[in-house]
Amino acid sequence: EPEVTQTPSHQVTQMGQEVILRCVPISNHLYFYWYRQILGQKVEFLVSFYNNEISEKSEIFDDQFSVERPDGSNFTLKIRSTKLEDSAMYFCASRLGANQPQHFGDGTRLSIL
Amino acid sequence: QQQVKQSPQSLIVQKGGISIINCAYENTAFDYFPWYQQFPGKGPALLIAIRPDVSEKKEGRFTISFNKSAKQFSLHIMDSQPGDSATYFCAASKGGNNNDMRFGAGTRLTVKP
Repeated sequence: EPEVTQTPSHQVTQMGQEVILRCVPISNHLYFYWYRQILGQKVEFLVSFYNNEISEKSEIFDDQFSVERPDGSNFTLKIRSTKLEDSAMYFCASRLGANQPQHFGDGTRLSIL
Repeated sequence: QQQVKQSPQSLIVQKGGISIINCAYENTAFDYFPWYQQFPGKGPALLIAIRPDVSEKKEGRFTISFNKSAKQFSLHIMDSQPGDSATYFCAASKGGNNNDMRFGAGTRLTVKP
């Protein structure tokens, strides 16, 4: 069964550094998402992306965050200047179309030192 | 405010018993209500989902009950098994596009042999 893949599985970065989290959504999917999950807490929506542009974003997704689909297969989340509170699991998800379920990757654990 | 409230926070059930997890939502514009199952180190995996035009949906041992007037929905796991031990999240989204999905806080289910 096709799946969403995320790399790396664990990223350790110094505070203030830029980090890029990578995702390969399911190949024929059209909608892409990033979520984060702080340890032991709920999954929080960050941003959705469709037709090469952001369709919705949450209050968490401030100017430090950006997303990009640089080619036909990858979907990236960039954090420009990381803060300690950015430490979390980041999940990518994709879905085929409207009224279809979202499929999640296994996440990238981001640790900010 | 678009919130989804989930209870209980944790649940211990004997093998063969029924596990019941409840969620309540506030925004009447929500029209898609999935349940996700998450094992440690893995991303959320869609378990079952319902739309408000039906009051119940059953898939195998998993049943969603939906009460539109009360703005509540619940997950019932019949004949619970130790392999069901995981964290379960309810979620809700609106507009038929399930962008901006809002998650409950999660329920950690332990099924004892």
